[in-house]
Amino acid sequence: EAQVTQNPRYLITVTGKKLTVTCSQNMNHEYMSWYRQDPGLGLRQIYYSMNVEVTDKGDVPEGYKVSRKEKRNFPLILESPSPNQTSLYFCASRYSGRSNEQFFGPGTRLTVL
Amino acid sequence: KQEVTQIPAALSVPEGENLVLNCSFTDSAIYNLQWFRQDPGKGLTSLLLIQSSQREQTSGRLNASLDKSSGRSTLYIAASQPGDSATYLCAFLQGGSEKLVFGKGTKLTVNP
Repeated sequence: EAQVTQNPRYLITVTGKKLTVTCSQNMNHEYMSWYRQDPGLGLRQIYYSMNVEVTDKGDVPEGYKVSRKEKRNFPLILESPSPNQTSLYFCASRYSGRSNEQFFGPGTRLTVL
Repeated sequence: KQEVTQIPAALSVPEGENLVLNCSFTDSAIYNLQWFRQDPGKGLTSLLLIQSSQREQTSGRLNASLDKSSGRSTLYIAASQPGDSATYLCAFLQGGSEKLVFGKGTKLTVNP
């Protein structure tokens, strides 16, 4: 089944404890991205990647890192999480052409205490 | 800056009704438009994708239209069912950009 998977789905952590949220897709998509969703603010892009080893900032990149060493994986790294990073995170992917549909993962609900 | 507005924010209808969800945008330089549904605690499911050169797309009971000149898109749902209850989001891929710009969604409740 074609899908975008994320792990973990739910995570509660404490301020400053490094964490990684994994994202993987099995559709051979070149483009992958991360969004966060917050009440009243909607979905905002954090980072995106056009292909392996090519990443760029979205609208809200502060406090996050990403890497794209393999085409199928695009992990989101929080080196020192803070409470304002409590949010619902989504990974998305699509083929490289902008005319292509984007597919989203199931989301990761992160709580930073 | 591109802004996307979805009206109404919430809508409650009886089962069987036809309904229209609205999405408006301020910048006509969009590349394409995508409608999603989001169920509580779940991810986003893509419903329809309309390219900027197209006027509408249809899938089953769903029909989405795009009018760039007026800055509007609509999602028409025919013969609504309780299973259609969800939040519906519209999103645009801006010209020259690699990000989707989302509206805040319309929460639809279809009552049996």
